[in-house]
Amino acid sequence: AQSVTQPDIHITVSEGASLELRCNYSYGATPYLFWYVQSPGQGLQLLLKYFSGDTLVQGIKGFEAEFKRSQSSFNLRKPSVHWSDAAEYFCAVGALGGGYNKLIFGAGTRLAVHP
Amino acid sequence: NAGVTQTPKFQVLKTGQSMTLQCAQDMNHEYMSWYRQDPGMGLRLIHYSVGAGITDQGEVPNGYNVSRSTTEDFPLRLLSAAPSQTSVYFCASTTENTGISPLHFGNGTRLTVT
Repeated sequence: AQSVTQPDIHITVSEGASLELRCNYSYGATPYLFWYVQSPGQGLQLLLKYFSGDTLVQGIKGFEAEFKRSQSSFNLRKPSVHWSDAAEYFCAVGALGGGYNKLIFGAGTRLAVHP
Repeated sequence: NAGVTQTPKFQVLKTGQSMTLQCAQDMNHEYMSWYRQDPGMGLRLIHYSVGAGITDQGEVPNGYNVSRSTTEDFPLRLLSAAPSQTSVYFCASTTENTGISPLHFGNGTRLTVT
């Protein structure tokens, strides 16, 4: 069965520290992968996506993610976290060409940032 | 540019009542969709539409109806609300359903059914 796992429900980091949010997926077809961020009271905003090519993708707000096919992972990273990064982060996976109606979301990781 | 607008922001219903969650977009997007967000479960697709007059079911369609009479609007109807429908509902739209153009989300409607 197709699935997305975000192993960490909550993560707390200090401002200025590095961040890595984990995402593992199980998908039969060639996946396309997304990371979204949800600030309190807001809808989801796309941070970055991977379809093909370079396995290290750059996104908005200084985030990057690396696709590792051998590990079925698509972890999100940021070298130095800002207080404004406190939010909930969702990983999502779909099939290349499969459309958004086939997109599967993970359960989310809530990030807290200590000053 | 308003983007995706959802109304109301908050709603409390009693079991058995009906209501319509409104969603409108001003970006001329063909694809529109409704998700529900529940703690620990991420977002789950309720219904979607690839254009005016065309709708289809997502992962969790039971208890919900939709219609798409115009490109701009995609209302979600609850005919007889149940406590299990307590959730946060998001509408999202994009240019076409290929997964290439980004999904634009509204700010959500928080629904409580007592």
